[in-house]
Amino acid sequence: DTEVTQTPKHLVMGMTNKKSLKCEQHMGHRAMYWYKQKAKKPPELMFVYSYEKLSINESVPSRFSPECPNSSLLNLHLHALQPEDSALYLCASSQGPGTANTEAFFGQGTRLTVV
Amino acid sequence: QKEVEQDPGPLSVPEGAIVSLNCTYSNSAFQYFMWYRQYSRKGPELLMYTYSSGNKEDGRFTAQVDKSSKYISLFIRDSQPSDSATYLCASNNQAGTALIFGKGTTLSVSS
Repeated sequence: DTEVTQTPKHLVMGMTNKKSLKCEQHMGHRAMYWYKQKAKKPPELMFVYSYEKLSINESVPSRFSPECPNSSLLNLHLHALQPEDSALYLCASSQGPGTANTEAFFGQGTRLTVV
Repeated sequence: QKEVEQDPGPLSVPEGAIVSLNCTYSNSAFQYFMWYRQYSRKGPELLMYTYSSGNKEDGRFTAQVDKSSKYISLFIRDSQPSDSATYLCASNNQAGTALIFGKGTTLSVSS
């Protein structure tokens, strides 16, 4: 099973709302990622968690707040977003550092619209 | 210079054609190479994964890496309309680090 599950699939939120995106994997992977993808562009890295610790933050604005409650779950908390933050938000996982395999498996994404 | 370069296309071929998709990379430390297929409004799906140089075949798909020229290729034989998608090449240099993506090539296969 190479499944990464993301919820919700679609989200519309106002600029003053607080919402969360959720991601779950049961492959025993120890690295989890958040990517942002705009139309006709490749995925753009936001955050990397390695063994449940934040290892990379690609200078993402503080209105995006990641959380890794355990090795299977990854959340992205959203607050005071701007319309330009509307995009497809992708979660991915891979086996993690110290392993031989680096391929990452992606979820289907959450399509976020900020109004 | 972006670390992974990929011609965005679009690329249009008739059904049954052989498709060649290509990327180049600049970082000599890259060892792991992946091809993803992404349908519109869906997440990327891992198609092929190779380590270092060489070929890997899976059904109608063949991935090729030439580290001497820093060239990555994906060949699709007997292309089908269902292959119409954006193909992303990606690479990294060690496990647990983020992937570096090319821009993606949009492929359209007409019946």
